[in-house]
Amino acid sequence: EPEVTQTPSHQVTQMGQEVILRCVPISNHLYFYWYRQILGQKVEFLVSFYNNEISEKSEIFDDQFSVERPDGSNFTLKIRSTKLEDSAMYFCASIGEQGDYGYTFGSGTRLTVV
Amino acid sequence: RKEVEQDPGPFNVPEGATVAFNCTYSNSASQSFFWYRQDCRKEPKLLMSVYSSGNEDGRFTAQLNRASQYISLLIRDSKLSDSATYLCVVPKTDSWGKLQFGAGTQVVVTP
Repeated sequence: EPEVTQTPSHQVTQMGQEVILRCVPISNHLYFYWYRQILGQKVEFLVSFYNNEISEKSEIFDDQFSVERPDGSNFTLKIRSTKLEDSAMYFCASIGEQGDYGYTFGSGTRLTVV
Repeated sequence: RKEVEQDPGPFNVPEGATVAFNCTYSNSASQSFFWYRQDCRKEPKLLMSVYSSGNEDGRFTAQLNRASQYISLLIRDSKLSDSATYLCVVPKTDSWGKLQFGAGTQVVVTP
């Protein structure tokens, strides 16, 4: 079964440092997303990406965040200057043209900002 | 009213019993709905999609009530492995758009 792959599985970083979270979506999928889940809270939308550009972003996705699809396979989320409140699970997701089958989520990156 | 609302539970269910729980949504124009399952500190995994009145997959049945704007999930013959948090998910616009998640309903199946 095709998978969405995320690396690293866990990252610890110091406040103020930049982090890049990496994702390899399913190869024939066209729509890509980042979501996050703070421990004990619900999953929250960050950004959607289609046709090499952001199609929608949430209020959380401020100037400290950026996304890129540099080489046609990887999909990255960069946080420029991390804050303590950025500590969360970050999930990448993708969906194909047949939206009926729902999103496939990656296994997540646990980001801990200290 | 929250966009997607769920009873957080926990629902404690004896093995073999049936459990059902609901999710209400605020956007009357929503056309598609999903139930995802999430194990502790893992990613959400798609359990079922619901587009018309309902869907059934083995022991799992989802029902949609558009008039009252809720969907339900019923689990028959509960297994210990069904213990998880069940997330109600509603796309904001279409199936490719932003997903709105409920906070989840925790189900604990006991021996």
